[in-house]
Amino acid sequence: KNEVEQSPQNLTAQEGEFITINCSYSVGISALHWLQQHPGGGIVSLFMLSSGKKKHGRLIATINIQEKHSSLHITASHPRDSAVYICAVTGGATNKLIFGTGTLLAVQP
Amino acid sequence: ETGVTQSPTHLIKTRGQQVTLRCSSQSGHNTVSWYQQALGQGPQFIFQYYREEENGRGNFPPRFSGLQFPNYSSELNVNALELDDSALYLCASSPPGSGTYEQYFGPGTRLTVT
Repeated sequence: KNEVEQSPQNLTAQEGEFITINCSYSVGISALHWLQQHPGGGIVSLFMLSSGKKKHGRLIATINIQEKHSSLHITASHPRDSAVYICAVTGGATNKLIFGTGTLLAVQP
Repeated sequence: ETGVTQSPTHLIKTRGQQVTLRCSSQSGHNTVSWYQQALGQGPQFIFQYYREEENGRGNFPPRFSGLQFPNYSSELNVNALELDDSALYLCASSPPGSGTYEQYFGPGTRLTVT
């Protein structure tokens, strides 16, 4: 079992829909990251959080430390949001970044 | 402020060859981490360099080695390339005092081994 699990693995939405991507982890962490990766491209950090909730534009990230769970929400989704969204945690035995396998999001016009 | 840059962008090598990938960290950042991302997978931690010393290593064989220079730029060297080494190689830099809490990623180098 992976230390960081994401769901769903693939998600197709219509433009304007509200989207939720979930992340669960099984190790102790000092921080959780949400990252965005466009096809063939590098990674952009969206959020780093260790508690509560953060909002940036149409993106909202929440974390529940007790339940070891985080969610990334996208409001009023747009085709340019199409990308792979990766959850990663700083923690585990090496205290390095441990990545989930990502959620491939496709937003159709 | 210049972000993290990597070179080359794409590279094709033959099995058994050696390759060197380069990463320039963001200005002021003294920690560089390297990751391997196979197609359809999440990145896997290779190793981290802090002030020119290796500071943690993932589950990769010794033919994966690295260097960090006084200006904090870094190289990833892979010897005796295997087909399974085909992947996107990402580096990320971190500012002083942040460890891996803050990481700024480069665009990656796509390595294809034939």
